[in-house]
Amino acid sequence: GDSVTQMEGPVTLSEEAFLTINCTYTATGYPSLFWYVQYPGEGLQLLLKATKADDKGSNKGFEATYRKETTSFHLEKGSVQVSDSAVYFCALTGGATNKLIFGTGTLLAVQP
Amino acid sequence: NAGVTQTPKFQVLKTGQSMTLQCAQDMNHEYMSWYRQDPGMGLRLIHYSVGAGITDQGEVPNGYNVSRSTTEDFPLRLLSAAPSQTSVYFCASRSSSYEQYFGPGTRLTVT
Repeated sequence: GDSVTQMEGPVTLSEEAFLTINCTYTATGYPSLFWYVQYPGEGLQLLLKATKADDKGSNKGFEATYRKETTSFHLEKGSVQVSDSAVYFCALTGGATNKLIFGTGTLLAVQP
Repeated sequence: NAGVTQTPKFQVLKTGQSMTLQCAQDMNHEYMSWYRQDPGMGLRLIHYSVGAGITDQGEVPNGYNVSRSTTEDFPLRLLSAAPSQTSVYFCASRSSSYEQYFGPGTRLTVT
């Protein structure tokens, strides 16, 4: 079935460092891909999305490119801030199901 | 817009008690769902609904019931709470472009 695999955390970075959080997926057909962010004590918020191959989603300085050839949707940010500390979830929908399938989440901790 | 609202924010139950977690959305979305979030497990789908009067099971439905009498409301019922149901519960609704909106969550402890 459809699935999402993302890198284990926690990821600890200093402020202004470059961030990459890896995400790969398995799906039939042509899924849509998402990154969600969960700040402490809150629900998940949509960060960015891409709906077809080679699309780049971007928001708040974060970017991810839908790579069908490598079945990946890695999240990147050029310069992280302390306020980016959160749990990041990669997800997909479509493919064999219209349900939203989540990865297990990656905790990002940014130190001043 | 309020978006997706959930009540209560926190709840403590004793084993065997029943309760209903409330969820409402004001975005006129047809698709709504319930997830539970446990450490190291990500989010797991409990039940979902594609419209009023239509519900279906997700990945972990046992011990939970749902109904969908209106587009706005999607309550989750625990019939006989067990310690294994200690978790954080999120309700969500989804737009036609597959963007999912989450409520703030209910933190449930079963003793």
